[in-house]
Amino acid sequence: DIQMTQSPSSLSASVGDRVTITCRASQSISTYLNWYQQKPGKAPNLLIFTASSLQSGVPSRFSGSGSGTDFTLTISSLQPEDFAAYYCQQTYSAPPTFGQGTKVEIK
Amino acid sequence: QVQLQESGPGLVKPSETLSLTCTVSGGSISGHYWSWIRQSPGKGLEWIGYIHYSGNTNYNPSLKSRVTISLDTSKNQFSLKLSSVTAADTALYYCARGQWFGAPWGQGTLVTVSS
Repeated sequence: DIQMTQSPSSLSASVGDRVTITCRASQSISTYLNWYQQKPGKAPNLLIFTASSLQSGVPSRFSGSGSGTDFTLTISSLQPEDFAAYYCQQTYSAPPTFGQGTKVEIK
Repeated sequence: QVQLQESGPGLVKPSETLSLTCTVSGGSISGHYWSWIRQSPGKGLEWIGYIHYSGNTNYNPSLKSRVTISLDTSKNQFSLKLSSVTAADTALYYCARGQWFGAPWGQGTLVTVSS
């Protein structure tokens, strides 16, 4: 299985900050990389698919980039509703696998 | 808009079979792929498998010998069966629309394996 490693595992930030989360795959996955947001007590919600495509209804302050093994999720200006956990997922080869998550907390 | 809702027992005894159903509302089960994913503190998010409305399935090799996913188009539902469960199968179980990535997901249902 392809291993997905996210960094950092947690971070503290303030409203308005630019936040970047990194995801690294154990082998090249082209751009078969998705990002999810999960709020406490809720299911994960798809934010970005194929590395940089914004899911319908997701605010434009979220963006994704990368290809091969290294990917980033950027929140351009952190909003109060963005404090949550974020997960990357590769769908290049079966079984699809997830990163361990990055928790974004209020500073 | 499509909504998904998981249902089933919250407590299963070791060695028994876990059975969950996902009811799809606001849209047809036809024409789509449908998946099961679980989440636990120890293993994080783990994809279990999918079923296509045609009946084609694909399972995580780590669970393949114990998993069956089926669908009932007349009820707009699909189901998960996981046999010979152990404490390691204790998790929050989600259903989702999609083959490899999910959108949307159900709210999840906690299943605890304990005697």
